[in-house]
Amino acid sequence: DAGVIQSPRHEVTEMGQEVTLRCKLISGHNSLFWYRQTMMRGLELLIYFNNNVPIDDSGMPEDRFSAKMPNASFSTLKIQPSEPRDSAVYFCASSLGLAPTDTQYFGPGTRLTVL
Amino acid sequence: AQSVTQLGSHVSVSEGALVLLRCNYSSSVPPYLFWYVQYPNQGLQLLLKYTSAATLVKGINGFEAEFKKSETSFHLTKPSAHMSDAAEYFCAVSDRRNEKLTFGTGTRLTIIP
Repeated sequence: DAGVIQSPRHEVTEMGQEVTLRCKLISGHNSLFWYRQTMMRGLELLIYFNNNVPIDDSGMPEDRFSAKMPNASFSTLKIQPSEPRDSAVYFCASSLGLAPTDTQYFGPGTRLTVL
Repeated sequence: AQSVTQLGSHVSVSEGALVLLRCNYSSSVPPYLFWYVQYPNQGLQLLLKYTSAATLVKGINGFEAEFKKSETSFHLTKPSAHMSDAAEYFCAVSDRRNEKLTFGTGTRLTIIP
């Protein structure tokens, strides 16, 4: 299995532009998590889905952020408009289900730089 | 709400020496506890997890951790450090009611040749 796939790996954009991050889950997994990692705040959970349905989006920082799962194997995280403070590494992770013991498998991350 | 505290943002050990990375948790209910490792420019990888079976948990790459309720701790150890262990290590907790993980701030482990 290829593991969780994220694209792009690096993104540099200018303030005000729209940014779309993409994530492909491991085949057979039903849950998807989006995290953000910064030096200041560490690793934060933004939102997670189960069977394509958002379960908890309380970690999404602002209305500028939105996430979707158009199908069972794919998710997008969109930032519109982007701001310099959104610069971070964004990870997605997938798991079999929502049992607390289900292991979350992380993708390699997207390093976003907003100028 | 649950939380974890990792003592020491940077730890250096000599190759072959004992590795000890500290993690203390706070939880109002019995927790599940996890250790993840992050190598440079990569995502996090699960090392081991405690889910209320044996209190001494063995993971990958020779690491193990012991759940101590009396000390609210879940420290990570490895008897003999290898150069390949250089990475950042994260402790995480979930409260069993859901799958949300709360991560610590991480400990960067450096191995001295």
